[in-house]
Amino acid sequence: AQSVTQLGSHVSVSEGALVLLRCNYSSSVPPYLFWYVQYPNQGLQLLLKYTSAATLVKGINGFEAEFKKSETSFHLTKPSAHMSDAAEYFCAVSATFGGSQGNLIFGKGTKLSVKP
Amino acid sequence: KAGVTQTPRYLIKTRGQQVTLSCSPISGHRSVSWYQQTPGQGLQFLFEYFSETQRNKGNFPGRFSGRQFSNSRSEMNVSTLELGDSALYLCASSSPGTRAEQFFGPGTRLTVL
Repeated sequence: AQSVTQLGSHVSVSEGALVLLRCNYSSSVPPYLFWYVQYPNQGLQLLLKYTSAATLVKGINGFEAEFKKSETSFHLTKPSAHMSDAAEYFCAVSATFGGSQGNLIFGKGTKLSVKP
Repeated sequence: KAGVTQTPRYLIKTRGQQVTLSCSPISGHRSVSWYQQTPGQGLQFLFEYFSETQRNKGNFPGRFSGRQFSNSRSEMNVSTLELGDSALYLCASSSPGTRAEQFFGPGTRLTVL
């Protein structure tokens, strides 16, 4: 069975500082991994995805994530935080059910605050 | 392409009532999944439909049901509402293919009084 653990329910950084949001996964098969962002009162927007190609994945808005199989991690980073990055971020793994599109199993989410 | 749309965006019901939520996927997407989001439980998978057939179901009581129409539009229904059903209900669609990424709608905010 697959699962996702996000370390830190709240992360606060200063504008211009490095953003690091942690995600560890558990999967019995090679995983497909995703990071989504959610702004208040909105749905989820895909930031980036790992689908067994390059281990360093670049996404939108300057975010990137590195898949590390040995550490079962898929941490999200951004070199320089912007005020507009304040949101909740979710790491997800694609579940494996026979014939399924691969429904997502989400972590609990990390709320990112950006201080001016 | 238009994104995933969900109606209504906000809904207030009382305990014991039933509710139907609607989701229109991105054109060409045949898979529709539903998720419930609450502060306590986070994002939880409800069910997935593909070509009008329920392909998978999460761990929710039978009060939660859904269906998909031939045009891929989907509805979910919750009968005998309970206070704990208050949540944001998100619909996501994906194009054919194994473990394709899912595109989410804005959600329906259901409040049960």
